[in-house]
Amino acid sequence: GAGVSQSPSNKVTEKGKDVELRCDPISGHTALYWYRQRLGQGLEFLIYFQGNSAPDKSGLPSDRFSAERTGESVSTLTIQRTQQEDSAVYLCASSLRVQGEQYFGPGTRLTVT
Amino acid sequence: GQQLNQSPQSMFIQEGEDVSMNCTSSSIFNTWLWYKQEPGEGPVLLIALYKAGELTSNGRLTAQFGITRKDSFLNISASIPSDVGIYFCAGQNSGGSNYKLTFGKGTLLTVNP
Repeated sequence: GAGVSQSPSNKVTEKGKDVELRCDPISGHTALYWYRQRLGQGLEFLIYFQGNSAPDKSGLPSDRFSAERTGESVSTLTIQRTQQEDSAVYLCASSLRVQGEQYFGPGTRLTVT
Repeated sequence: GQQLNQSPQSMFIQEGEDVSMNCTSSSIFNTWLWYKQEPGEGPVLLIALYKAGELTSNGRLTAQFGITRKDSFLNISASIPSDVGIYFCAGQNSGGSNYKLTFGKGTLLTVNP
């Protein structure tokens, strides 16, 4: 079956511009996560959605970052006024249950010039 | 926040050798997951562990959930060239409203044919 998909796969933007990244989770997965992976590093948690509950935004690094999810489907991560330190791979994961396996998409590589 | 120490940072081995890597945490996790990531792709789940002391295999891979719940190891037996990649451990808690994964920084595995 279809896995987690993300778009675009690559995004180059100028400093100060806004970007929007998209994640399509596996159908039926109620939980959705966004992570950030800087070059040569592990993944850092950004935000978590579970069903219709309020999202946990505790990992967002600044108020320039926001995310939305419509029901149990698509999610978008928006970064406003991008900075060079925002350059990273942004990964989305979904899971069927809250406990346990999370399945990752291929990521969006963001480069801020 | 919780810290995961993953070691070694990198390994260069000959095809056919066995490999061992481990993660230790400053605090307890209820779930340990091991992922493999190849260049340009998202992490792929290898093994999930849910109980302290649990030993689980997936083909040539074996992972254990440490009895103290603060550590886990992954072994790869009889390595082959396609084992090349970065291996990440990740811990998850089941309390509260967030089931985010906390990741180690990865072990880069190179297999010499």
